[in-house]
This record gives sequence, structure tokens and C-alpha cells, in this order.
Amino acid sequence: NAGVTQTPKFRILKIGQSMTLQCTQDMNHNYMYWYRQDPGMGLKLIYYSVGAGITDKGEVPNGYNVSRSTTEDFPLRLELAAPSQTSVYFCASSYLESGGGQETQYFGPGTRLLVL
Amino acid sequence: RKEVEQDPGPFNVPEGATVAFNCTYSNSASQSFFWYRQDCRKEPKLLMSVYSSGNEDGRFTAQLNRASQYISLLIRDSKLSDSATYLCVVIGGGFKTIFGAGTRLFVKA
Repeated sequence: NAGVTQTPKFRILKIGQSMTLQCTQDMNHNYMYWYRQDPGMGLKLIYYSVGAGITDKGEVPNGYNVSRSTTEDFPLRLELAAPSQTSVYFCASSYLESGGGQETQYFGPGTRLLVL
Repeated sequence: RKEVEQDPGPFNVPEGATVAFNCTYSNSASQSFFWYRQDCRKEPKLLMSVYSSGNEDGRFTAQLNRASQYISLLIRDSKLSDSATYLCVVIGGGFKTIFGAGTRLFVKA
């Protein structure tokens, strides 16, 4: 298994440009997440999905959109890039059984985004 | 008050030392607790889950104190390879995942 893969690894955007960060997992996980990590800070949850067709906002959703048309893919869309969105973006996935319980999140290698 | 707070660090310790990290959380309804490790410019990786009864994995011991709302991580016999940032993660009600800002550990020869 490749696990969680993210593309691109690094991108420079101009203010106002748009882009999509790609995330794919091959572990058949039902849950997927997008986080951002600013320098010296912890990860903040942007959006998450509990299954195909279902998404919900996390702590910092403004300026982003997501979709989950398949179990494997969970792209993150930036419509109008702003300098405040300069960050490292991590995608993660996990499997949670219907009965609940603790779940391990597996992270992709991250996408480093610079908005100038 | 932050929802999850960790020791500010950095911790600088010699090889072989024992080091302990603490993490406090504000939501008493929090359900799941973890320690993740993050190397420089890499993604976080699960170090260990934290159970109410406490749990141990080799040189690492995790404890949970629900009454005081804190979790801890103890590393015995520190190795150079333990140098990393350790992230406390709390999952609360409503599927809310909160990461602490992390504590940096430097283990020196």
C-alpha cells in the first residue's frame, strides 16, 4: 500500500490564484482530514469527511472547499489564495468502526504552499 | 485558555536521560488521546495511544488523568533518534480533533 499520497509537494501561488491540493489513500479508510500547520504551531483541522459524499468544517475552514466523491480521494480547493494561507498542508485518513473507539490517523507527506 | 496545551520546550537532554512531557486539555468530554511524533519537515506519525489505565511501549509510557484533564509521556533511556517534536492529540465530542502545538526534544550525545 502507498498509504496517503499528496500532490504537489511544493507550490508557489500569486495572490488571488486558485489551486487544488490532491490527496489519495489506498487503505479503504472511511475518514479523511485536511490540516494546516503554520511554523512552530500545531496542526489545525480545516475540513474532514466521514465517507464519500459527506464533508464537514473543522476549526479553520474559511477560504477552502473540499469534496469527497470517492472513498479514495479528498481534494482541497483554494479559490482565492491569500498570504495567510501560506502553510504546510497535511492530508490524513483513518478507519473508524461503527461502534466507535480510538482511531489512528495516517498522514501524507504534506504540501508546502507559499502565497506571494 | 487553549483547548490543548503542552510544555513549551525545547527539552535538551543527554543520551540515557529520562524525560517527561505533559499535556492538558480543557474539554472534559474528550474521548480519545494520542501522542504523535513529528520529525523536522515530515508528517506526524502515531507514537502511541493513551489509555485510561496507562500503557507502555518499550521505553515509552503514557498516562491519562481524566480528573485533572492531563496526559503525560515518559521517555526512558533517551536515544539520539528520539529527537523530534512530540504532539499531544485530543479527540473530543462531535469528532473534534485538536493538536497541541508540540514539544521539541533534543537528545545530545
